[in-house]
Amino acid sequence: DAKTTQPTSMDCAEGRAANLPCNHSTISGNEYVYWYRQIHSQGPQYIIHGLKNNETNEMASLIITEDRKSSTLILPHATLRDTAVYYCIVRVAGGGSEKLVFGKGTKLTVNP
Amino acid sequence: DSGVTQTPKHLITATGQRVTLRCSPRSGDLSVYWYQQSLDQGLQFLIQYYNGEERAKGNILERFSAQQFPDLHSELNLSSLELGDSALYFCASSGQPAYEQYFGPGTRLTVT
Repeated sequence: DAKTTQPTSMDCAEGRAANLPCNHSTISGNEYVYWYRQIHSQGPQYIIHGLKNNETNEMASLIITEDRKSSTLILPHATLRDTAVYYCIVRVAGGGSEKLVFGKGTKLTVNP
Repeated sequence: DSGVTQTPKHLITATGQRVTLRCSPRSGDLSVYWYQQSLDQGLQFLIQYYNGEERAKGNILERFSAQQFPDLHSELNLSSLELGDSALYFCASSGQPAYEQYFGPGTRLTVT
C-alpha cells in the first residue's frame, strides 16, 4: 500500500469548512483513497473513499487531484463534534489482504 | 452505532495471565479484523478472518491468537501478558468487497 503524508494538526472554526490535505505521490492505479476518523478513543469511523473521481456523501467531500498524487477531505460545516484524528489511507480494495494501514493522521480541532 | 460489538469494554489483569476478547461483527459481514492501538505504536493491524478462515496476518505476536467461529463471531486470545500489551483492541468487520470497515467500540486492556 502506498504511503501517505498528512499534517500533524489543524484548527478550524466552528461552522467553517475544514479542508484536510493528504499526499500520496506513490499511489498505484488500482489503489483507492480512504478517510477514517477517530474521535477520542472510540473505534475509527469510515468517512468516505474514492478512486479518481470526486466523491460526496452526507459526511464529507473527497477531492482527488487529476494525477491522483494528493487529495483533500472537506467537512463543509465543521462542528465541535468533528474534533478528531483524521486518517488518510491508500489501499487496494476487494482482493487479497484488506487490512488498513494507519499512519499518524491529522488531529483536527474545531474551535467555538 | 457501527453494529459491531465487543466485550468486555474494560479488562484489568496481571502479567503472565491470559485473556480472551470477543467480537460480534455486523449482521451479514463475513470478514473480521483485529487491530491494536497503543500509545507508542498507534493503530496496528493484527489479523483478519474471512468466513472462518485466516485471511491475512499483520504484526501479531506469537503469544496472541485468534479464531472466527461458524456464527462469525471472533475471539482474540492474548497469553503470557506483558505490561506492553496494555492497549485498546479494536475489532472491525466488512462485507465483500471490503470497501469500508466498521469498527467496534474497543476493549481497553490494562496489564499490571
